[in-house]
This record gives sequence, structure tokens and C-alpha cells, in this order.
Amino acid sequence: AQTVTQSQPEMSVQEAETVTLSCTYDTSESNYYLFWYKQPPSRQMILVIRQEAYKQQNATENRFSVNFQKAAKSFSLKISDSQLGDTAMYFCAFRFRALSGSARQLTFGSGTQLTVLP
Amino acid sequence: DTGVSQDPRHKITKRGQNVTFRCDPISEHNRLYWYRQTLGQGPEFLTYFQNEAQLEKSRLLSDRFSAERPKGSFSTLEIQRTEQGDSAMYLCASSQTKGLLQNTEAFFGQGTRLTVV
Repeated sequence: AQTVTQSQPEMSVQEAETVTLSCTYDTSESNYYLFWYKQPPSRQMILVIRQEAYKQQNATENRFSVNFQKAAKSFSLKISDSQLGDTAMYFCAFRFRALSGSARQLTFGSGTQLTVLP
Repeated sequence: DTGVSQDPRHKITKRGQNVTFRCDPISEHNRLYWYRQTLGQGPEFLTYFQNEAQLEKSRLLSDRFSAERPKGSFSTLEIQRTEQGDSAMYLCASSQTKGLLQNTEAFFGQGTRLTVV
């Protein structure tokens, strides 16, 4: 079974600075997706960024980028120019790239609470 | 609002009572997922539906948990004889399959927070 580990329960960063959140995972599969989700206080979880395992190029979405190291099974999230609205719980998640009919559910890490300080 | 909707947002119940939660997915989404999230943890998968068929339910926590999606639209999650350990956030998510291997991202609702006293 696959597992996702986030070893940083809490982090803080000054507004406008850069922060990196860590994630490692374990799987024997070769076809999968990795995600970072953001869960602001009392609000729903939203997708921040997604990476297909078969792509070598790291995904980027505006101020958010990932460092995907497939051999090391590492998937970190870098947030540049941090904003107060980035304060949230961040979850790393894994999903198989499976055939139709398979569950394709997400497996989540335990999360990192990021606080952006003014 | 065309997002995933969950009702109620909060539920307080006495131990031993039955509770039912509702999830309305994004209208064109054929897949619907239920997750449970306890304090300080990531969501844990419970079950999922493709249209009205419940294709995975082995992760439901006990036989006190059941879920339905009778017409392939909204879904309900019922917990019978609630216990204090059932206190958690229950999240619903939906997605749309696109072909054999493709799937849209999962969109989550705001969750139902259950407190069993």
C-alpha cells in the first residue's frame, strides 16, 4: 500500500519570502499522480498543483512550484512571494493512474500548517 | 454556486444516535468520494461511487457506516449507533472520468463536522 509522509507539522514564513514544504511517499507503482492541496481554516480543500509521475518536468502554477524527485520519492512544494492568504494546512496526496473502474482515491499525508507572518 | 455542497455543516449528536449526511456533487461529475478527517490528520478514504454504483466500500470503518447514491446524483453517508470515536470531519469530493485513464481533479466540499457527546 502506498504511504505519504509530511514530516513538518508546522511552518511559518514572512510575507513575500519563499518557503518549501516537504513530502515523501512510498509506492511500488510507476504510474501515478502527486498533488498538493490547500485547506484554509473552515474552508474546503482546493487543489494547488498536480504532477504526473511520467513527466520529468516539474509542475508550476504561478507562485507555486514543485521539486519532483521520482527516484527519491520526494515531492516538495515551493511557495514564492508568500502572501497572507497562503496561510492554511497543506496536504500532499498520491493517486494511482489507474484503469477505468479503479477507485482512484487520494492518499493524503498528515499535513503541514503554514502560517504567513505579516 | 456550482461546487460540491455538503449538509449539514455541523452536527452534534448523542452517543448511540444515528446520523445522516448529504453530499451534492458538481452536477456533471460521475464519481463521488467520502473521506473522514480527524483533527491534525489528512483525509482518510472511506468509499466511492461511480454513478449510482458503489464500487469500493471495504474502507468503511465498520458495519455501522453505510453510504448510498440512489440516482447517481447526491449521496448520503449514514452512521448508526454513533460512538465518540466517530467525531470527525466528513468530507465529500467529486470528479469526472474522461476516458480510460483520465480523470479530472477531485473537488471537495466544505465537510460536515460531527461531534458525538
